[in-house]
Amino acid sequence: KAGVTQTPRYLIKTRGQQVTLSCSPISGHRSVSWYQQTPGQGLQFLFEYFSETQRNKGNFPGRFSGRQFSNSRSEMNVSTLELGDSALYLCASSLLSGENTEAFFGQGTRLTVV
Amino acid sequence: DAKTTQPNSMESNEEEPVHLPCNHSTISGTDYIHWYRQLPSQGPEYVIHGLTSNVNNRMASLAIAEDRKSSTLILHRATLRDAAVYYCILRDSGYALNFGKGTSLLVTP
Repeated sequence: KAGVTQTPRYLIKTRGQQVTLSCSPISGHRSVSWYQQTPGQGLQFLFEYFSETQRNKGNFPGRFSGRQFSNSRSEMNVSTLELGDSALYLCASSLLSGENTEAFFGQGTRLTVV
Repeated sequence: DAKTTQPNSMESNEEEPVHLPCNHSTISGTDYIHWYRQLPSQGPEYVIHGLTSNVNNRMASLAIAEDRKSSTLILHRATLRDAAVYYCILRDSGYALNFGKGTSLLVTP
């Protein structure tokens, strides 16, 4: 069974540009969550999608957005990139949504903003 | 969200059991206790979770105190591959996993 696939693995962008990251969840999983990991702030929740609906959003500016498609694949977009957006972006998929469910993470996309 | 407290770091010898503690004195009745770990240069990996009773799986065991104010993740026989940051997370009806700083486990041969 294939795991969570994130593309691309590495990305370098310039300040002010925008970027789109992709996540393909495990087959059959309907929940996709996104996290940002930086050395200073650790792992922080961005948002979660379930059946194409955003269920919850973390404390990030509106420049961070996402969506989920009918096949459960998800994308997140960051507009007007800032240097501080340099981070590892992780996607996690779950069969269901909720407290009694385990999440499976991808390898992440390493974004560097210069 | 209820908070957890974990030691910053722990060290273990290879092939010995490891007990990773977690305090969560403000846990609510509906909070599940989840453990994840993150190996270097990888995404977090699910280890185990439970509500009230002790839990076992192929990776580890989770011992939950009777009052649920603390729990212990037990790796029965540490290997070098178990060197990672271990996160103890309380998960309620919300959708986010609130990772703290975790415990960095060093395994020495």
